[in-house]
Amino acid sequence: GAVVSQHPSRVICKSGTSVKIECRSLDFQATTMFWYRQFPKQSLMLMATSNEGSKATYEQGVEKDKFLINHASLTLSTLTVTSAHPEDSSFYICSARASLDGYTFGSGTRLTVV
Amino acid sequence: DAKTTQPNSMESNEEEPVHLPCNHSTISGTDYIHWYRQLPSQGPEYVIHGLTSNVNNRMASLAIAEDRKSSTLILHRATLRDAAVYYCILSSGYGNKLVFGAGTILRVKS
Repeated sequence: GAVVSQHPSRVICKSGTSVKIECRSLDFQATTMFWYRQFPKQSLMLMATSNEGSKATYEQGVEKDKFLINHASLTLSTLTVTSAHPEDSSFYICSARASLDGYTFGSGTRLTVV
Repeated sequence: DAKTTQPNSMESNEEEPVHLPCNHSTISGTDYIHWYRQLPSQGPEYVIHGLTSNVNNRMASLAIAEDRKSSTLILHRATLRDAAVYYCILSSGYGNKLVFGAGTILRVKS
């Protein structure tokens, strides 16, 4: 089946630095990818829709200058958390749709800002 | 986005069938009913989806009410590996975003 690879799986960074998370569709092309954030014991919250070759569409309340999304190719979308702070610590997950069988999700990135 | 309502949690015995309900009274004619599940510290996994007719796949069955205002995910024989959070989501159109609700925590007892 379709695979979405997310990297890194875990990252620890210092407050004030930026972190980049990659999301790759391994065996299919994805013109659209989705980025979610999940806090402990909560559901997934959709952050933005990443569109290949154009600007991402952000959900209400998500700071576009803080969460930079780049979708430069049909198989790669990146999420950069800029000037990260402890409150940005969360589980970040990407997804894409490869076929009529539903959406495929990455395994997630655990970000810890210290 | 049309809203879904699911019980917070359910419990099942191993090897027994599980019926996970979902209410979606404001569903529109173009909304597909999707089910995903998520194990701890993992991304969600696709389970099944349907529009009007009942659906079966290797993982589960989806029973959709005639008026489409509710649906039930059926796991025919629960195993310990089925313990997860199950999300019922409505989405219209191929490639449209999925908005997750709170989901149902399924616990499976051995």
